[in-house]
Amino acid sequence: GAVVSQHPSWVICKSGTSVKIECRSLDFQATTMFWYRQFPKQSLMLMATSNEGSKATYEQGVEKDKFLINHASLTLSTLTVTSAHPEDSSFYICSGQDHNYGYTFGSGTRLTVV
Amino acid sequence: DAKTTQPPSMDCAEGRAANLPCNHSTISGNEYVYWYRQIHSQGPQYIIHGLKNNETNEMASLIITEDRKSSTLILPHATLRDTAVYYCIVRVRNSGYALNFGKGTSLLVTP
Repeated sequence: GAVVSQHPSWVICKSGTSVKIECRSLDFQATTMFWYRQFPKQSLMLMATSNEGSKATYEQGVEKDKFLINHASLTLSTLTVTSAHPEDSSFYICSGQDHNYGYTFGSGTRLTVV
Repeated sequence: DAKTTQPPSMDCAEGRAANLPCNHSTISGNEYVYWYRQIHSQGPQYIIHGLKNNETNEMASLIITEDRKSSTLILPHATLRDTAVYYCIVRVRNSGYALNFGKGTSLLVTP
C-alpha cells in the first residue's frame, strides 16, 4: 500500500527559531498534499492544501507567512514553522493524495516549542 | 461533505466484536462512507470505505443501511491494539479536497 514518510517524529525547539517538517510519498506520487495540526484531545484541523508546483492554499486563520509550505516535487512536501512560539506546539500531520490510493497519512510530528 | 454523527466513546471487551455506528442522514447519492482511525500520537489510518453495498476487508466490515442514512463499522474480534479514535467521513470519492475530521468515537478495548 501507499506510504507517506514524515520526519521528524518529534522535535523540541526554542522560541523564535524555525522548524522544518518533511513528508515524502514513498511509492506513489502525491499530486496534492494536505497539512493538518492537532491539539491535545482535539480532532485534526486542516491548515493548508498544496499542489505540486503551485502555491499552497491556507485555511482561514492560518498565517501563510508563519507556516511555509513547499511542494516542489510529486514525492516531497515540507512545512516550515517560522519564528515558532509555544502556542505553535502541536501535532502536525501530512496527508498525500493520489487518485489510486486515495488519502495516505504520515505518522505525525510532535512539535514542542520551549 | 455530508454531516456525520458518532457517539463520543464506546467500550468493548477484548475478543468481542466492536460495532461503531455512524449517522449520515444527509448523504448524497454520489458520496461514499469512509472510516479511518487514529491510534494515539499517530497519523490516521484508512480502514474501509463503501458506497451502498456492505464491504469487508482484512481489518473490518462496513454495513450500510439500505437508505444509506447510517452505517456500522464492525471490528469482528477487537484487540487491545484496536483502541483508537474512529472517524466516519462522508464525501465524494477523489474530490481533490481534504478529509474533514469530526470528533469521532473513542473506542477503548479492555482486557
